[in-house]
Amino acid sequence: AQTVTQSQPEMSVQEAETVTLSCTYDTSESDYYLFWYKQPPSRQMILVIRQEAYKQQNATENRFSVNFQKAAKSFSLKISDSQLGDAAMYFCAYRSALSGANNLFFGTGTRLTVIP
Amino acid sequence: NAGVTQTPKFRVLKTGQSMTLLCAQDMNHEYMYWYRQDPGMGLRLIHYSVGEGTTAKGEVPDGYNVSRLKKQNFLLGLESAAPSQTSVYFCASSSLRGWALGDIRETQYFGPGTRLLVL
Repeated sequence: AQTVTQSQPEMSVQEAETVTLSCTYDTSESDYYLFWYKQPPSRQMILVIRQEAYKQQNATENRFSVNFQKAAKSFSLKISDSQLGDAAMYFCAYRSALSGANNLFFGTGTRLTVIP
Repeated sequence: NAGVTQTPKFRVLKTGQSMTLLCAQDMNHEYMYWYRQDPGMGLRLIHYSVGEGTTAKGEVPDGYNVSRLKKQNFLLGLESAAPSQTSVYFCASSSLRGWALGDIRETQYFGPGTRLLVL
């Protein structure tokens, strides 16, 4: 079974600074998708960014970017120019690209605090 | 377009009581999911459905039942609640069409969650 590990239970960053959240995963598959979700105090899960394993180019979405290292099975999230609204729990998630597979496997999350 | 909604938002049960959580989506998605989230753990899949009238077990199905009588609704039932079922429950949905076409933008859309406390 796939496992997703987030080794940083909590992180903090000064407003306007950059922070990197770590994620590693374990899989024997070669094709899969990786996601970062944000969960603010409202508890709703919001997709931040996604990465396809067959793509070598790292995904970017405005201030959010990833560092995808397939051989190392590492998928870190970089938040640039941090804003107060970025404060939330962040979850890394994995999904197989196999036909019929639709389950997301989540890490335990990293709580990000943004300091004004 | 409300997306994915969940009812109720919060509920307190006594051990042995039963209840049903309702999830509704207005995006015409084929796939629907129920997850639970416990402190210090990521979301874990309870049950899911790939279409109206079909359901399947996920990672932690014991103690729960589900039904998908209508495409837009996915119900999660607890027949005899236990304190171990105290958790936050999330419903999600996704598009079969996007998946079948290899749409890499396809993802799961989550509801706001239901907090359940079993005493």
